[in-house]
This record gives sequence, C-alpha cells and structure tokens, in this order.
Amino acid sequence: RKEVEQDPGPFNVPEGATVAFNCTYSNSASQSFFWYRQDCRKEPKLLMSVYSSGNEDGRFTAQLNRASQYISLLIRDSKLSDSATYLCVVTPGRGADGLTFGKGTHLIIQP
Amino acid sequence: EPEVTQTPSHQVTQMGQEVILRCVPISNHLYFYWYRQILGQKVEFLVSFYNNEISEKSEIFDDQFSVERPDGSNFTLKIRSTKLEDSAMYFCASIGTSGYNEQFFGPGTRLTVL
Repeated sequence: RKEVEQDPGPFNVPEGATVAFNCTYSNSASQSFFWYRQDCRKEPKLLMSVYSSGNEDGRFTAQLNRASQYISLLIRDSKLSDSATYLCVVTPGRGADGLTFGKGTHLIIQP
Repeated sequence: EPEVTQTPSHQVTQMGQEVILRCVPISNHLYFYWYRQILGQKVEFLVSFYNNEISEKSEIFDDQFSVERPDGSNFTLKIRSTKLEDSAMYFCASIGTSGYNEQFFGPGTRLTVL
C-alpha cells in the first residue's frame, strides 16, 4: 500500500485568515481523492472530494495535480470551528478498495 | 440522516482474550470496511467486505483477525487473541450502492488491551 505525505503542522492561524495545506501521494494508480476532517478522538468525516478540475465548497477549495501527484486544500476566512486535523485521502477508486490516509495536518485557529 | 453505528464505544480486555467489535452500517450500503488508528498515528485500512466475502485486506489483517456479517445489519470484527499492540481506535465504514461514493465512518470503538 503506497503512501500519502502531509506536513503534520501544527498550523497556528488567526481567525479570518486564509490557510493552505498540501499533500503528495505515491500511488499513480490513485483515482479518487478526498479531504477528511478529524476532531480529537473522533471519526474522520468527509470534508470534500477532490476533482481534477478543482472544486469549491463554500470557504473550501480543493485542487488536484495528477502529473505532480499533489493535492491541496485552501480554507478562506477561517473560523474557530475549523480547528481540527485535516486528512488527505486517496484510493484506486473501486468500491472495494480501502482508503489510504495521510497522517494529517493539525490546524489551530486562534481568536 | 442515516449513520454508521458501532458498539461498544470502549472495550477493555486482557492480552490473549478474544474481542468482537460490532458495527451497523448504513442500511442500503453494500461495501463495508474496518480501519484502525493507533493513538497519534494515521488511520490504517484493515479489510473491505462485499457480497459476504473479503474483497481486500492489508498486511495488518493477519490470521488473528476475522470479519463477518452474521445477519442483514451487523458487521463484526473479531480479534482472536489480543496483543498489547492491538490497542487502538477501530472504525467501521460503509459505502453507497454505486461503490464509488465517499466512505462514511462510524464513531469508533476504543480498544484497550492490558
């Protein structure tokens, strides 16, 4: 099983700022890409899927660069409630495939 | 909103004992998964299950582990003889009927092996 690499942080960011996370993945066969959010001692929760054309959901924008095997997440106008660990996740994309998780990037939004 | 449920929320056991972790996936889902997360480490895939058989398993999922769907709703993970290093959070997940939707995770069972 190939790896997903992320900067573990922590990223300490003032409320209202914009913050960006990146990750790289090693399995070139990966077809589906996600950002999950995990709060302390809780389950991962899907934040958004990542599409080749890039996609936006409110304050969150995700980008995928297949050639560089690189995924990014941008959070604009950060809120205190955005404090969490953000997990970069990839999979070959078939239904039976397990997800490969990065270790996550820890984000702390400061008032 | 439908959700994946897991029981118990916390299980404490002695080394060498058998444990069974239970999950109720979302009712119309067809693919089921177990993951584990050792404290401070990343979430790791253990096994996927479809059509009443294992589809894929990781190197972690050795002969000490087994999965079963004993009825139409429950999905279980059994660890036959627990080791100290099995202490972790175990998450169940399920996926929608198309097989290409995002996986939804249960709240997890925290397993502590003494």
